[in-house]
Amino acid sequence: DGGITQSPKYLFRKEGQNVTLSCEQNLNHDAMYWYRQDPGQGLRLIYYSQIVNDFQKGDIAEGYSVSREKKESFPLTVTSAQKNPTAFYLCASSINGLFSNQPQHFGDGTRLSIL
Amino acid sequence: AQSVSQHNHHVILSEAASLELGCNYSYGGTVNLFWYVQYPGQHLQLLLKYFSGDPLVKGIKGFEAEFIKSKFSFNLRKPSVQWSDTAEYFCAVNNYGQNFVFGPGTRLSVLP
Repeated sequence: DGGITQSPKYLFRKEGQNVTLSCEQNLNHDAMYWYRQDPGQGLRLIYYSQIVNDFQKGDIAEGYSVSREKKESFPLTVTSAQKNPTAFYLCASSINGLFSNQPQHFGDGTRLSIL
Repeated sequence: AQSVSQHNHHVILSEAASLELGCNYSYGGTVNLFWYVQYPGQHLQLLLKYFSGDPLVKGIKGFEAEFIKSKFSFNLRKPSVQWSDTAEYFCAVNNYGQNFVFGPGTRLSVLP
């Protein structure tokens, strides 16, 4: 089955550590996205990528970094500079990016907690 | 910049009641509109979408939504809810050339 796989499902981080969240898709989608979901705030865009080797900051990129070396992979690193990293992180993809009416497909999410 | 508002944070209904969840967006122009649902413990999935044509769109599981351009609204409706509709519902908008913008979500609890 085609879909988006996020791992791990739960992640614990000590203060001052960087952690990397994995996102892989086998839908052959060009565009990929990272969102942060906090209660009552909906989904806020962290980074997005429309094609391989290209990515753009979203609304809340500070303290995060990404790479897009392969079409199917879009890992997110939560750095120690992110002041409030405890959240639920969602990865999504779509056939193409901004110039499209195609919906996004979502992974199951990673819940990050700070110890 | 585009923003999306959803009128209710938490809606509680009994089974068989009718449902209407409000969604308004701030910036006009050519828009694509979506409703997503997140059932407990599951990933977000698409309920329905509108990008052109008939402003009344039908989605999965008996849901429908009506796009009213003059009101910048895209309200979600279902004539008779079931306990299994308990979930969080997100409205999302994207303008041509812009990213998706999500509303804050509405939590629906259906009492058996």
